[in-house]
Amino acid sequence: NAGVTQTPKFQVLKTGQSMTLQCAQDMNHEYMSWYRQDPGMGLRLIHYSVGAGITDQGEVPNGYNVSRSTTEDFPLRLLSAAPSQTSVYFCASSYGSQARSGNTIYFGEGSWLTVV
Amino acid sequence: AQSVTQLDSHVSVSEGTPVLLRCNYSSSYSPSLFWYVQHPNKGLQLLLKYTSAATLVKGINGFEAEFKKSETSFHLTKPSAHMSDAAEYFCVVTIWGNQFYFGTGTSLTVIP
Repeated sequence: NAGVTQTPKFQVLKTGQSMTLQCAQDMNHEYMSWYRQDPGMGLRLIHYSVGAGITDQGEVPNGYNVSRSTTEDFPLRLLSAAPSQTSVYFCASSYGSQARSGNTIYFGEGSWLTVV
Repeated sequence: AQSVTQLDSHVSVSEGTPVLLRCNYSSSYSPSLFWYVQHPNKGLQLLLKYTSAATLVKGINGFEAEFKKSETSFHLTKPSAHMSDAAEYFCVVTIWGNQFYFGTGTSLTVIP
């Protein structure tokens, strides 16, 4: 099972460049999300989606765009990269948005992004 | 609003001794709570979850956690640490399942 697949795994960008982090899941999950992980701060939610065509902002959305045209894919776009966006990014998905049913979040392996 | 506080940023134990990783949560409603583990340069793996059923939750690799509403805690324990347990551990809370809030993590070191 592929699960949640993120690409690229490593990327170096220059300030001002744009790029897209790709995320795909093959589990037919409704819920997908993007997090960034920074030392001493845990994971912080950037954007999330509860289904195709529906996206919403998380805790730290500035500087990022998302779209959800299909159930499988949830790309994260950096519009104009800044050094503050140097981080590890994780894509995650789960079957539904109702945590009370005990849905587990599945994470990708992470994307290490450095902005110089 | 909901949040979690992991009370220790680093915990060091000797192999074969008990592990205790502490997590307190804040929530206006009944939460769902999770513990995830992250090994170096890897994604996050679910250890266990609490979703308003039994308050003592058993997970993988011998870990368990107890939900205590009166103390707003969800501490993770293991009777005997193994070298392979060395990793970063995250406590996570959600209410409605569309936003998950992570603690800042606890780094567990296991001394041979």
